[in-house]
Amino acid sequence: DTEVTQTPKHLVMGMTNKKSLKCEQHMGHRAMYWYKQKAKKPPELMFVYSYEKLSINESVPSRFSPECPNSSLLNLHLHALQPEDSALYLCASRLAQDNSPLHFGNGTRLTVT
Amino acid sequence: AQSVTQLGSHVSVSEGALVLLRCNYSSSVPPYLFWYVQYPNQGLQLLLKYTTGATLVKGINGFEAEFKKSETSFHLTKPSAHMSDAAEYFCAVSVTGANNLFFGTGTRLTVIP
Repeated sequence: DTEVTQTPKHLVMGMTNKKSLKCEQHMGHRAMYWYKQKAKKPPELMFVYSYEKLSINESVPSRFSPECPNSSLLNLHLHALQPEDSALYLCASRLAQDNSPLHFGNGTRLTVT
Repeated sequence: AQSVTQLGSHVSVSEGALVLLRCNYSSSVPPYLFWYVQYPNQGLQLLLKYTTGATLVKGINGFEAEFKKSETSFHLTKPSAHMSDAAEYFCAVSVTGANNLFFGTGTRLTVIP
């Protein structure tokens, strides 16, 4: 079990659908992250929120839209995705300190058809 | 700029043999270093971290790593491999002000019975 909870675990969506991925943590972490991971590759950073403000956007296409409603929740809104967006989407959090490790959720396996 | 290099994308060891996974980092400032393990269809789990202090770091599941500044290395070892150690291992580095961890490309560990 992890302390970062992601829902859903699996998601299949068509290219015209709109869906959202959700992430929740109650460790008091003020930095939250979205990563995309393709098979046999390391996680790729997408977005970072620090104290509920977007601090890093790694040139992610606008069909991915992050949201941080409060210090415990992080969402990733998906719209008009492409098949190449199929991947494992990982949420992570940590204390807002550079020597603090990331704590990862188990991810959402997304398939775009 | 900071980065990590993991030598060997795939390492095979016999059950009971020494595990050695290599990680070298590049950083112009003192780094914070982490090892993570990822089992299939799961997120990344922290094995151990080096921030400051003792250069030999002990982690979970019998793993340890030694920070060697002169060699810019942070290799992961375990004296005796177990079948349950088969997984993907990632080395990561963070530095002050980065607000992110930079991951190596990963090493897949196979344990042969």
